[in-house]
Amino acid sequence: GENVEQHPSTLSVQEGDSAVIKCTYSDSASNYFPWYKQELGKGPQLIIDIRSNVGEKKDQRIAVTLNKTAKHFSLHITETQPEDSAVYFCAASKGGNNRLAFGKGNQVVVIP
Amino acid sequence: GAVVSQHPSRVICKSGTSVKIECRSLDFQATTMFWYRQFPKKSLMLMATSNEGSKATYEQGVEKDKFLINHASLTLSTLTVTSAHPEDSSFYICSLGGVGSETQYFGPGTRLLVL
Repeated sequence: GENVEQHPSTLSVQEGDSAVIKCTYSDSASNYFPWYKQELGKGPQLIIDIRSNVGEKKDQRIAVTLNKTAKHFSLHITETQPEDSAVYFCAASKGGNNRLAFGKGNQVVVIP
Repeated sequence: GAVVSQHPSRVICKSGTSVKIECRSLDFQATTMFWYRQFPKKSLMLMATSNEGSKATYEQGVEKDKFLINHASLTLSTLTVTSAHPEDSSFYICSLGGVGSETQYFGPGTRLLVL
């Protein structure tokens, strides 16, 4: 089955700096890659996703890049703010109603 | 995205009792629902996938007789933890998927503590 690895496990950044989280996946048939943000005690919230037919997608301060050849995708957060502090999960699936394979999560801490 | 609610948000029960958790889609017809559990500082572990009107498909190692899933309508799925044991204490989260859609929208989660 699909194996998604996420690095680093913890990331601390100064407010205003950029944060980058990288994920790799193993199944070349995967074609859908969402990113979720989870705050303490809450459910994951979809923040951005990308499909395999594009290489980059941006939504305000958040962007995701995808390299299908290398089978990795990254989340970029610019101008970080304290409210960006959370656990971020990447995931991969083959589309449709197929299961999502999640990474282990990345704790992002934005230092004011 | 879809708005998903879960009830209750947290529950404490005694060992041996059963607990039912509801997952509702407030504005979205969810043909597929997923149930996950999450341990502290860990990732989400898929327990089962259910399609409206049919039996749930359980992941390997998840006991279907212990974790009963009912997906009776396009807006409601329930997870019943039967004969609860302290090791069942966890954060249970549901998610919704639409027809042929790969996007999943998650509920706020239910914290279960079994004493």
